[in-house]
Amino acid sequence: DSGVTQTPKHLITATGQRVTLRCSPRSGDLSVYWYQQSLDQGLQFLIQYYNGEERAKGNILERFSAQQFPDLHSELNLSSLELGDSALYFCASSVESGPRETQYFGPGTRLLVL
Amino acid sequence: AQKITQTQPGMFVQEKEAVTLDCTYDTSDQSYGLFWYKQPSSGEMIFLIYQGSYDEQNATEGRYSLNFQKARKSANLVISASQLGDSAMYFCAMREGNTGGFKTIFGAGTRLFVKA
Repeated sequence: DSGVTQTPKHLITATGQRVTLRCSPRSGDLSVYWYQQSLDQGLQFLIQYYNGEERAKGNILERFSAQQFPDLHSELNLSSLELGDSALYFCASSVESGPRETQYFGPGTRLLVL
Repeated sequence: AQKITQTQPGMFVQEKEAVTLDCTYDTSDQSYGLFWYKQPSSGEMIFLIYQGSYDEQNATEGRYSLNFQKARKSANLVISASQLGDSAMYFCAMREGNTGGFKTIFGAGTRLFVKA
């Protein structure tokens, strides 16, 4: 158990809908990262927050947004969902935000868009 | 161009033998981090080992060691005394960037099968 929690574990929804994925980092970690893992794209970095502020952005679609709250938990919002958004979404956390930081991953949220 | 290349889509190893999983990377940054993660069939991502670009010694964590060859830009994972539970997908990753933001890039992965 990495100490990172994600809810829900599974999510099934329809095209066009909007969902929110939630992540609680390890105690003491200030950085939260979101990743998408799909069969065709592999593991893709989406976005990182550090202590409430956006720190780095990867291949995140405009339909997706995220935020980190004062208690350091984070939410990833996915809207106007398409079939291709079906994937495993991981949250990870680390203490700080540098190149040497080890990220610890949560169990993931498996999203299925029908 | 691929930033992280794992050339072995699948590997077989006999139980109790050692195996090397290859990883090459491409970056122009001087300060970067290299990581290996394990993903069993259950789906979770498990951190295995870390190597910093300025570290002169190869990293070791129990049965895992990282063969870091900076000039060749390679960071191969060596698993000694393979166990059946080592059967999983293994990802090499690199963290690079600057104080404006660091990104982590993952390779496509290598699926390891440990035979009894």
